[in-house]
Amino acid sequence: KAGVTQTPRYLIKTRGQQVTLSCSPISGHRSVSWYQQTPGQGLQFLFEYFSETQRNKGNFPGRFSGRQFSNSRSEMNVSTLELGDSALYLCASSAGTAAAEPQHFGDGTRLSIL
Amino acid sequence: GQNIDQPTEMTATEGAIVQINCTYQTSGFNGLFWYQQHAGEAPTFLSYNVLDGLEEKGRFSSFLSRSKGYSYLLLKELQMKDSASYLCAVRDPGANNLFFGTGTRLTVIP
Repeated sequence: KAGVTQTPRYLIKTRGQQVTLSCSPISGHRSVSWYQQTPGQGLQFLFEYFSETQRNKGNFPGRFSGRQFSNSRSEMNVSTLELGDSALYLCASSAGTAAAEPQHFGDGTRLSIL
Repeated sequence: GQNIDQPTEMTATEGAIVQINCTYQTSGFNGLFWYQQHAGEAPTFLSYNVLDGLEEKGRFSSFLSRSKGYSYLLLKELQMKDSASYLCAVRDPGANNLFFGTGTRLTVIP
């Protein structure tokens, strides 16, 4: 069974640009969550989608948005990029939302802002 | 708010036992997860605790005390490949997202 796939693996952008990151969950998984990972802050929750609906959102500005398609694939968009947006963006999927259900992570997209 | 604390770095010797602690203060609790993350790779699921006590899985064990807001991950018979970051995370009750600590970077030396 293929794991969570994130594309692209690396991205370099400049301030003010916008970027779209893609995540394909494990087949059959309907929940997709996005996290930002930085050395000082660790993993911070961005948002979660389940069956094309955003169910939960973390404490990030409105420049960060996402969506989920009917095949459970998800995209995350960041507009008006800032230097502080440089980070590893991780996507995680789970089969359902039971408490014991672990999230399975992709390798992430490393975004660098110049 | 959510506060999850772990030591930043630890060093241990190959073949030894190491205990990585995690304390949490969260507005709710719906289970605690441990993940392993090698540099440049995805975090991988290690264990889940929701009730007090010890869960054992091969060389890895995880303990939880809900009354103390405390968990630890115990790694036995350390191997060089265990050098990685270990992430403690608490599940947000009523939601599916996880709150993570900043992680503990473990270095295993010969």
